Formats: sequence, structure tokens, C-alpha cells
Amino acid sequence: RKEVEQDPGPFNVPEGATVAFNCTYSNSASQSFFWYRQDCRKEPKLLMSVYSSGNEDGRFTAQLNRASQYISLLIRDSKLSDSATYLCAVSLGGGNKLTFGTGTQLKVEL
Amino acid sequence: DAGVIQSPRHEVTEMGQEVTLRCKPISGHNSLFWYRQTMMRGLELLIYFNNNVPIDDSGMPEDRFSAKMPNASFSTLKIQPSEPRDSAVYFCASSYQGGQPQHFGDGTRLSIL
Repeated sequence: RKEVEQDPGPFNVPEGATVAFNCTYSNSASQSFFWYRQDCRKEPKLLMSVYSSGNEDGRFTAQLNRASQYISLLIRDSKLSDSATYLCAVSLGGGNKLTFGTGTQLKVEL
Repeated sequence: DAGVIQSPRHEVTEMGQEVTLRCKPISGHNSLFWYRQTMMRGLELLIYFNNNVPIDDSGMPEDRFSAKMPNASFSTLKIQPSEPRDSAVYFCASSYQGGQPQHFGDGTRLSIL
């Protein structure tokens, strides 16, 4: 089983739709969780950290489910500019590395 | 504030040549990471450093790859000799500490002919 798994997609959604991605992780001792966005031929950019109680940043909501070992990203009122690949990243915390998922591709269409 | 700076942005070279990629992390960041990204394999961690010390190099594909971090503001990833299968985008990233959010450089697009 991979350490971090994501559905590669693509998710094709109309503008204005709500879309959600999940990311499962295998190590129950994981402590830190993040969502990154990567545009075509660009570097990954931090979208948001994921906190235990869940957190929101505008149209984006991130949640953590420790019992089932997954994190989620919800995008409301999706825009054409949200089209990108979304990568989740997980760490044991402390001085440990981040492990990235392979990413979920989102295409928002007119 | 300056982000992570990588050079060169693009490199095209012939098989067998030595390739050196360079990275300047964000000032004050203590952890530095080298990644390789391809369509087939996604984003792979090659090696990372904490306080200039290599912590985990298990992702380095083979002895042709080596990385150094002589000081807190500079790191290199070297491939010698290069092979066509090394063609990929190589990213450098840094963070205050391993496990914290990482900030990526623009990447080096490497093509080995």
C-alpha cells in the first residue's frame, strides 16, 4: 500500500460546482497534513495546511479524519482558474520529510 | 522576500555529460529537499537535509546521483554520468523544519539526449 494515495482524476466539473478530493495515508502516526496546488509546468505551491478541527480559506475547506486516515479538500463555487493538479502531503512531523500523493487533476469547464 | 532559487531553469545536454543543479533555499529555512517529477512517477523525494546534514537519501536512484549542502544557503545535485532516463523536472524545496510546509523553487527542466 502506498504511503499516500489520491485518485488521479481528472475531475471535470462545470464552473460554479462544488468538488471534493480525498487523500488517504497509511501511517497512523502522521502529524502534519497539507494541500498543494500545481499548475501545468509550474512548481507545487502550498494551498493550505490541514488542522485537526478542519479549516477554511475562502472557497476552500480542508478536513482531517484521523479515524479513517484521510484528509479532504472541498472547493465551492469552482472557477476556471481552479483548474490544476492538487497534491496532498503528509508528514510524521518533527524533522521528518513530507510524503506527497501523486495528485488529483481538476478541470473546471464553462 | 526571495523564494527558493534554482539554476539553471533549463538544461539540455548529451548522455554521459555531468550535470549540476543548484539551489538556494529561503533564508532561515533549516531543511532542504530535492525532488524529481515525471509524468510516470510523479513527485519523488530524492534526498533531504536538516541543518546542512543529509538525513535521508534513500530516494537517490543510484550512485550516479550525489547531493551536497556545504552551507545553509546553497546545495547542489549532481548527476554523473547523465542518462536519457534522468530527463525530468528537478525541484528544490525548503522549510523551517522537516515536516513543515515546504516552499518550492521554479524547478530545473533537464533533458538528456
